[in-house]
Amino acid sequence: AQKVTQAQTEISVVEKEDVTLDCVYETRDTTYYLFWYKQPPSGELVFLIRRNSFDEQNEISGRYSWNFQKSTSSFNFTITASQVVDSAVYFCALSEVNGNTGFQKLVFGTGTRLLVSP
Amino acid sequence: NAGVTQTPKFRVLKTGQSMTLLCAQDMNHEYMYWYRQDPGMGLRLIHYSVGEGTTAKGEVPDGYNVSRLKKQNFLLGLESAAPSQTSVYFCASSYGGTRGAFFGQGTRLTVV
Repeated sequence: AQKVTQAQTEISVVEKEDVTLDCVYETRDTTYYLFWYKQPPSGELVFLIRRNSFDEQNEISGRYSWNFQKSTSSFNFTITASQVVDSAVYFCALSEVNGNTGFQKLVFGTGTRLLVSP
Repeated sequence: NAGVTQTPKFRVLKTGQSMTLLCAQDMNHEYMYWYRQDPGMGLRLIHYSVGEGTTAKGEVPDGYNVSRLKKQNFLLGLESAAPSQTSVYFCASSYGGTRGAFFGQGTRLTVV
């Protein structure tokens, strides 16, 4: 069963538009962590944010903001006034505990490709 | 700052050949991961390690083996490569499963 769902495969916007990337997760853990990563065209993966399950406060970092809602199991990412440099693939990820081993593993969604045109 | 280093960066294998991908981290992280990235599939976890000498299977472990003999190194082995293993492989490390992971630059593997 897919644990992290990013239903938007690709989004195209024009520079300065706001855009929201959706992430829906599924877990049985009461304590878990959610992440967003950015993969620019150069290919590396860049950590953007971590959020734990007990902290539902929205977070803002410059033009980036994140909305975490446990009631809907969503952790959405909004870019305000998008720029061409925001063009990338964005991944949402969930840290969950393996029920057999107790180990925590990081699982990713399939990613959303954002294309920002001038 | 080296961070997470993957070797090699590119490789072409013939079907049936074997190879080992090396991942090295200098951040004293306990957790290390191997993922593969395929178009439309996102990042899928192959195997991971929670410390020296301890490994666990991820979502797509078949056809791969791993070893973590030293804390700083995590090896991914392909015993008999298949075209289905053509992919970009990423290694990552973190202090724990609840921390953000740091990724290597990736290894592009083509099996012909």
